[in-house]
Amino acid sequence: AQSVAQPEDQVNVAEGNPLTVKCTYSVSGNPYLFWYVQYPNRGLQFLLKYITGDNLVKGSYGFEAEFNKSQTSFHLKKPSALVSDSALYFCAVREAGRRALTFGSGTRLQVQP
Amino acid sequence: DVKVTQSSRYLVKRTGEKVFLECVQDMDHENMFWYRQDPGLGLRLIYFSYDVKMKEKGDIPEGYSVSREKKERFSLILESASTNQTSMYLCASSSSFGGDNSPLHFGNGTRLTVT
Repeated sequence: AQSVAQPEDQVNVAEGNPLTVKCTYSVSGNPYLFWYVQYPNRGLQFLLKYITGDNLVKGSYGFEAEFNKSQTSFHLKKPSALVSDSALYFCAVREAGRRALTFGSGTRLQVQP
Repeated sequence: DVKVTQSSRYLVKRTGEKVFLECVQDMDHENMFWYRQDPGLGLRLIYFSYDVKMKEKGDIPEGYSVSREKKERFSLILESASTNQTSMYLCASSSSFGGDNSPLHFGNGTRLTVT
């Protein structure tokens, strides 16, 4: 069965500092990995995905994520955080043969001015 | 731009009532999904549909059913609402064009309270 874990309920970072939001996954076979973001009072928005190829994936709003097969991780990163990045971030995974995503429990990112 | 519209932002229902949550998308997407979002649990898949009149159970289908009579509309039905179904319900759609890795487009959610 596919599953994903986000070990941190909340991440606090100062504006201008780099940020990392952690995600690990478990699948049978090759994983397809995604990050979504939920801003206050808004629906979830797609940020980026890893399907195959380069382990570093770039997405919207300056975010990127690094796929690490040996550590079964897909951490979300940004070199310089903005206050407007404060939101709820969800990692999701799909394994081959399954049609729908499984989401993690979410990590709240707070960027302090 | 893809628009996924959920008919109600807030709903309050009584225990035992039959509840309908409606979702409409305007991009001719084949795939539609219903998730519920609870603090600390993230999003959990209830049901999804990849074609009209087709449906598949997700991870937590108990107490729910769905209907997809038209391509653009996907309804979630709580046959007899219970207090443990108090939650935020999120509808999403995606195109089959990119395969099963096409991004999901979400509605703004319906916050259901069952008293």
